[in-house]
Amino acid sequence: GAVVSQHPSRVICKSGTSVKIECRSLDFQATTMFWYRQFPKKSLMLMATSNEGSKATYEQGVEKDKFLINHASLTLSTLTVTSAHPEDSSFYICSARDQRAGFSYEQYFGPGTRLTVT
Amino acid sequence: LAKTTQPISMDSYEGQEVNITCSHNNIATNDYITWYQQFPSQGPRFIIQGYKTKVTNEVASLFIPADRKSSTLSLPRVSLSDTAVYYCLVGDTLQIYNQGGKLIFGQGTELSVKP
Repeated sequence: GAVVSQHPSRVICKSGTSVKIECRSLDFQATTMFWYRQFPKKSLMLMATSNEGSKATYEQGVEKDKFLINHASLTLSTLTVTSAHPEDSSFYICSARDQRAGFSYEQYFGPGTRLTVT
Repeated sequence: LAKTTQPISMDSYEGQEVNITCSHNNIATNDYITWYQQFPSQGPRFIIQGYKTKVTNEVASLFIPADRKSSTLSLPRVSLSDTAVYYCLVGDTLQIYNQGGKLIFGQGTELSVKP
């Protein structure tokens, strides 16, 4: 089946620093990828839609200058949390649609990245 | 995407059949019903999708009554490894495709399987 990887799986950083998270589709091409964040015992919250070769589309309330998204190729999207603060500590998950999937509902999710800001 | 309502949590024991019901009273004609499973500290995984009646795969069955205002995910003979959160999503796949394919997750049902 289709596989999506994320790197790193967990990261600890100091307040004020920036952290980059990579999301890769390993065996398929993804024109579109999605970034979610999830707090403990909560559901996934969609942050933004990452489009290959164009600007990301952010959901309402998500600071685009704080969460920089780059989708440079059909298999890689990156999320950079800039000037991280403790309240940015969360579980970040990416997902991707196989561009051959047509109208299929199915998305493939990465294993997630646990970010802890101290 | 149609609004969905699921129980927040359910408990079960190994070997039992578990049925998780999702209410979606405002489901539209073109909407499909999809379920995802999420284990702790992992990304969600697609389980099953259906439009009406019954769909079965190697993991689960999905029962959808004629009025489609609800659906039931059935997990046969659960084991400890089925402990997870189960999300029900309802939406028009074509509309979702045209809008970029984004999914909006509800609260989900936290299933706890005990020995």
